Amino acid sequence: QVQLQESGPGLVKPSQTLSLTCTVSGGSINRGTYYWSWIRQPAGKGLEWIGRFYTSGSTNYNPSLKSRVTISIDTSKNQFSLELSSVTAADTAVYYCARANYYGSGSYGMDVWGQGTTVTVSS
Amino acid sequence: SYELTQPPSVSVSPGQTASITCSGDKLGNIYTCWYQQKPGQSPVMVIYQDTKRPSGIPERFSASNSGNTATLTISGTQAMDEADYYCQAWDSNTVIFGGGTKLTVL
Repeated sequence: QVQLQESGPGLVKPSQTLSLTCTVSGGSINRGTYYWSWIRQPAGKGLEWIGRFYTSGSTNYNPSLKSRVTISIDTSKNQFSLELSSVTAADTAVYYCARANYYGSGSYGMDVWGQGTTVTVSS
Repeated sequence: SYELTQPPSVSVSPGQTASITCSGDKLGNIYTCWYQQKPGQSPVMVIYQDTKRPSGIPERFSASNSGNTATLTISGTQAMDEADYYCQAWDSNTVIFGGGTKLTVL
């Protein structure tokens, strides 16, 4: 079955760019009707959706983060990536990648999640 | 922007029925999902398309969505069901999560 694994630096300095990669195994990132998403969770707080990439090339971002976020896909490596610029301590969180599966009638659900990776923003 | 509101906490006795609500404007007109998250673990989808259970999710998990409220119901709650639960919906090509509800099985 499909598995997702996040990777990237665990520590990022303020004002720099946070870069994470999600590697998809057990299936092709380019097949099927899926959205590939990033979600984050500050310690002790709830889930916050960051954005998603559709294999058609379209992207959607959380309006509150849109000016700082880029999600891209590398089909040759079966990976998708997150870049979040100008980070501050408020961006410290566990970052998850997830697959949103299409169930018809405009319905999606995030049925596969990575284990999450902790990113701390600190000098 | 669209918001989903959940109670911060719900308590239930083992074997009883737990209900967790999620409120949003005309929420019944859009599909919702529910996720279970145990401490230190990634979220797991327990309900999609308002009422459907993914493979492997116990039958004691059910849900409904009508009007302004979606409800996750856990019948015969077990100690292993103690977790945080999040509702989620889609609005104008963005994903919205509720604030989460901590379910305590006393």
